Formats: sequence, C-alpha cells, structure tokens
Amino acid sequence: ETGVTQSPTHLIKTRGQQVTLRCSSQSGHNTVSWYQQALGQGPQFIFQYYREEENGRGNFPPRFSGLQFPNYSSELNVNALELDDSALYLCASSSGPPSKNIQYFGAGTRLSVL
Amino acid sequence: TQLLEQSPQFLSIQEGENLTVYCNSSSVFSSLQWYRQEPGEGPVLLVTVVTGGEVKKLKRLTFQFGDARKDSSLHITAAQPGDTGLYLCAGAASYNTDKLIFGTGTRLQVFP
Repeated sequence: ETGVTQSPTHLIKTRGQQVTLRCSSQSGHNTVSWYQQALGQGPQFIFQYYREEENGRGNFPPRFSGLQFPNYSSELNVNALELDDSALYLCASSSGPPSKNIQYFGAGTRLSVL
Repeated sequence: TQLLEQSPQFLSIQEGENLTVYCNSSSVFSSLQWYRQEPGEGPVLLVTVVTGGEVKKLKRLTFQFGDARKDSSLHITAAQPGDTGLYLCAGAASYNTDKLIFGTGTRLQVFP
C-alpha cells in the first residue's frame, strides 16, 4: 500500500470521447508523474507536475493534458480518444523538488477504448 | 532518445532454479531502479543503484549496476512461486527530474 490512490480503477470509452483520470498523491508528496503502460510493455512517461506546474513532458500529443491542484492531487485528461489509448494509466507521487526522488505508484486506471 | 532493453522478455522456470535478467542501454543513467509489478497493481520499487559497479542484495535478489552505468542485472537465487511477476528496470532521465525511462519488462513465471 503506497498511499497513492487512483480513480476510477476501470473505464470503458468509445473513440472520440474524452476521459478524466484522477490521482491522490501520498501525504506530504508535492510531485505527481503520469505514465501510460500498454499491455505487455513498460510504462511510458507522459508528464510530471511539481507544485501545480508542469515539469517535463514525454512524447505524447497535446490531447493528453493534466492538472495539479493545491492539495497536490492531479488529473490526467485525454481528448479525442483513439483505440491505441487503451492502456493502464499509472500515477506516481514523490517528495520534491524533482531530483531522482523515489516514486510511489498507484494501482492504475485501466482504460479501454472501443 | 534513451532506451532500456530487457532480456529475456519471458522466463518460465521451476521453483529452486536460478535466473538472471538483463537491462541494457547505449545511454548513461545517473541511477537505475528495479521494480516488480503484479497483475492489477502498480510497480513496486525493489532497489536503486547509483554508483557504477555497485552491487546490492535483497534476500535472494542481487542487483548490479554496470561500471559505465549503462546496464544492470538482476539475479534471483532459488526462485520461488512468490517471485512471479513483471520485472522492470527504470533509469532516471536526468538529475533535475523524477522522470523514469522504463525498460521493456521481463515477465517471470515460477512454477512449484
């Protein structure tokens, strides 16, 4: 139990729809990172938020966007869903400032796009 | 682009056997971590190695960081069914970020 909670646990959407995934970071952590893990692959970094500002972004299109709130919880939004967006979305929190800190992962949200 | 390749991709062994998983890159990493992930859960950190040549032991698991900090290995002695899972190596992309570059993963199945 890492103290990082994600909701929902599972989600089914259709192509073209929009989705919002949520993450509550571990108490005391001010940095949240989001990863996409396709079936049978390692996680891929989407972006990171530190104190409500984006602090680095991976190779994902602009339809992937995020927010971090004053309580350091975070949202991942994906617009215009595509079939290839089907994956496990992982949130990880750490205690900043970002500098090789240990990240604690949530159990993820499994998104299926039909 | 920093990439981490793991081998083998799949490993199916009997309880009591030894195994080694490799994690290789052409890039230098400031640190490297090993995670285990079980179905329906997020990755759980096993170890972090920072210094080239560093060796760390965690019960029956031995982790080594290559001298040039481009590769790492995980050796499991006398594997048990409880070791079953997806093993992931991950490198820290740079010094001023927590961004991790994950390897392709090794799925281990240990049969009783």
